[in-house]
Formats: sequence, C-alpha cells, structure tokens
Amino acid sequence: DAGVTQSPTHLIKTRGQQVTLRCSPISGHKSVSWYQQVLGQGPQFIFQYYEKEERGRGNFPDRFSARQFPNYSSELNVNALLLGDSALYLCASTYFWGETEAFFGQGTRLTVV
Amino acid sequence: AQKITQTQPGMFVQEKEAVTLDCTYDTSDPSYGLFWYKQPSSGEMIFLIYQGSYDQQNATEGRYSLNFQKARKSANLVISASQLGDSAMYFCAMREGTENQGGKLIFGQGTELSVKP
Repeated sequence: DAGVTQSPTHLIKTRGQQVTLRCSPISGHKSVSWYQQVLGQGPQFIFQYYEKEERGRGNFPDRFSARQFPNYSSELNVNALLLGDSALYLCASTYFWGETEAFFGQGTRLTVV
Repeated sequence: AQKITQTQPGMFVQEKEAVTLDCTYDTSDPSYGLFWYKQPSSGEMIFLIYQGSYDQQNATEGRYSLNFQKARKSANLVISASQLGDSAMYFCAMREGTENQGGKLIFGQGTELSVKP
C-alpha cells in the first residue's frame, strides 16, 4: 500500500511568488495535517483538515491557505513568498482526526530565493 | 501554553548500547498524548511510540520504550541495543486533549543521535 505522498519533492521559488504543495493521504485516511519545519527546528502545525473541513489552524499568516478535496487529498498554498518561508513542508494523514499515530510523507523542501 | 523541551541537541552512543533521549513537557490539560518520532536525513517523520496521559504502564515497542514520569512531566525515550541505522533526529511531540479533540501535534526541537560502530 502506498504511504503518504507529497509533490513536488523540491521546489525553488522567488520572493513574492505563490506556491502550491500537494499531499495524497494513505488510502482510506480522511484527515490531513500540514506542518512547516524550518532547518534546525521541530515541525510547526499549520492546518488540519478532516472530511474536507478545516479542523485546526496554527499561528501562521493569512498568506497560508489549504483545502481538502473529495478524494481526501490536500493542497497547501502560500502567497507572497518570503525568504523565511523556506522550509520542509510535511503532510500527515490519519483515518480519524485525532488518532494516536499520524503517518507522514517525505515532505516538500521549499527554497525561496 | 503547551510546550515540549528537548535539552540534548546531540547525543552519541556506541553500537549495541542503550541510550536515553530526554523530553519534558508542559500542559494544563489533564488529557494528552506523548509521541516520539524519528526523522532520518530523507525527511520523513517515522512514528516510534505513543504514551497516553492515563496509561498506567510505560509504553514499549520493540527496542523502544518510553519512561513516563507524570509528576515530573517527563517522557524520555529509551533505545536499547543501538544500531547504526538508529542515527537520525528524534523528536518528542505532544497532543493536548483526547483523541476526539483533534490531532495537532506540538514538537520539541529535536535531538540528533549518532551511533558509533
């Protein structure tokens, strides 16, 4: 069975541009969460979606938005990119929105220049 | 505010020996869950072990065990019989509330473990 898949794996963008990151959860999983991991730090929670509804939002500016589709895949959008948005973006999926074990993808490494 | 603290930026251990990675947490919620994840250089976060705040016994998963001391608010990870493949970043994380209240995880800063042959 496929695990959590994220695309693209690497991305280079220029300041001010917009970026869309994609995540496909494990088959049957209905919840997707997004995390930002800046180099040298632990991941920071951005969003959680369950059954296509936002169930949680971290302390991130409105430039960050997300959505979940009927097939439970998800997109994370970041507008007006800043150098500080350079990070590894991780997606995690669970069947239910509060399960004990979250399965993570390998992440998308975003570099803003 | 909820917080996870990992005070060891880096640790070295000899192959086949045991190692303890420290984690302390702070929360006012009586219900919470504690997790340990391993992150190799590839970037993927790999779930290792879970301890619920109401669990009476310390969690164990193969070579991993969690030394849960509730009064001290600590949740140290013990890896027995270290292997070269254990070299990675290790993150302690906490979820506040019960499982029905959502899955937001709060992570610590991580500990980089290096296993020496």
